[in-house]
Parts: sequence; structure tokens; C-alpha cells
Amino acid sequence: QKEVEQNSGPLSVPEGAIASLNCTYSDRGSQSFFWYRQYSGKSPELIMFIYSNGDKEDGRFTAQLNKASQYVSLLIRDSQPSDSATYLCAVNMDDYKLSFGAGTTVTVRA
Amino acid sequence: DVKVTQSSRYLVKRTGEKVFLECVQDMDHENMFWYRQDPGLGLRLIYFSYDVKMKEKGDIPEGYSVSREKKERFSLILESASTNQTSMYLCASSLQTAYGYTFGSGTRLTVV
Repeated sequence: QKEVEQNSGPLSVPEGAIASLNCTYSDRGSQSFFWYRQYSGKSPELIMFIYSNGDKEDGRFTAQLNKASQYVSLLIRDSQPSDSATYLCAVNMDDYKLSFGAGTTVTVRA
Repeated sequence: DVKVTQSSRYLVKRTGEKVFLECVQDMDHENMFWYRQDPGLGLRLIYFSYDVKMKEKGDIPEGYSVSREKKERFSLILESASTNQTSMYLCASSLQTAYGYTFGSGTRLTVV
């Protein structure tokens, strides 16, 4: 069973703090990793992807990948109320499909 | 930017009706997908297609069928709608899935 697991949440952080989201995956051969953001009632939007071990930064977002530990994370620095959403971790475990985690809901308190 | 368009944002249908959900993408993507999303259950794959006229079952195909007669269009068909098919339906496409999906805006279907 190929699985993607995320920390259950919900995660509540004060404005300006760092939100840390974690994701583990079962297939050691996975090569591509994605973070999607989904606002309530809307569809998922791709915000980060990472292919190589290490960190990848894009504005206030940093994705971290450790293939040996089968672990990918997303850090949101200087969290804003507009970051309040559900974040989905997705992993490319076969040629065609992504496998999604259940999502972690983040609430940023003003 | 790739655009994935779902024909209806909200839809209300009666039990037993045949329901068509349409999805069109404008960037010549090979792969197209239909998911449903329910609270507490996450995204569940219904069907996907990796080429015209090709289709593969996902995790929950029962009660659904699909059609892909043209590369840009992927239709989801509920043969006889039931109340347990009330859900948010999301279409997605990808050129290669290693680059991720682009999702449509979703169709919230209510079956009464």
C-alpha cells in the first residue's frame, strides 16, 4: 500500500510565526514531491515542488526533502492570515498518478 | 498558464438521473484525472486517462464511467446518481505527472 501521511493538525499559529508541516511517504523510489494549498471551498493550487534532497525556498515558503528518511516538509515563515488553508502533500509514486496526504489545516491567528 | 475548466461550479441533480461532468484543458496535456473530495476522506481518485480513448480505474470507480474522445476533454459520467455521490468533484491534468497536476475549479454536486 503506497501511502502519504501528514501531521494531523489542525495547526494554529500566531501571525508572524513559522508554521511547520510534515509529510512522510512509503515508496522509497518516489522522485517528485509537491505541496498544494487549498482554501475552503476552492480547488488545490500548487505552491511548491521539490525533486532533490535539501531545501528549496520560494518567498516565505521553504520545502525540505530527505529521501533517506522518506520525509518532506513545508515551512511557512512570517505566517499571514491569508496563509490559513489546508495544505496537501503529494508524491509521485508511479508513472501517472500523484498520491495525496489527507491534508493539514493551518489557521493563522491575527 | 494551463487552464483546466470544469463546466459547472454547482450542480443539483435528482436520484437516478444520468449526470455528465465535463472538464477541458487547453495545454495539450496527456494525462487527465477525476477525483472526489469529501470531508475527512481527502482526495480519492475515480478514474484517469493517459491518452485519448484510454482510461484506467482509480480507487473508487464504482458508479462512475468516463469518456475521453478528444485529448483536451475528459468527461465523468454518473450512470444513475445516488445521494452518496454528493461531493466536490475535481478534474486535474498534467503533461507529465512528475511535474504535478493543475486542478480545475471543481464542481460541487448535490444529489437529492
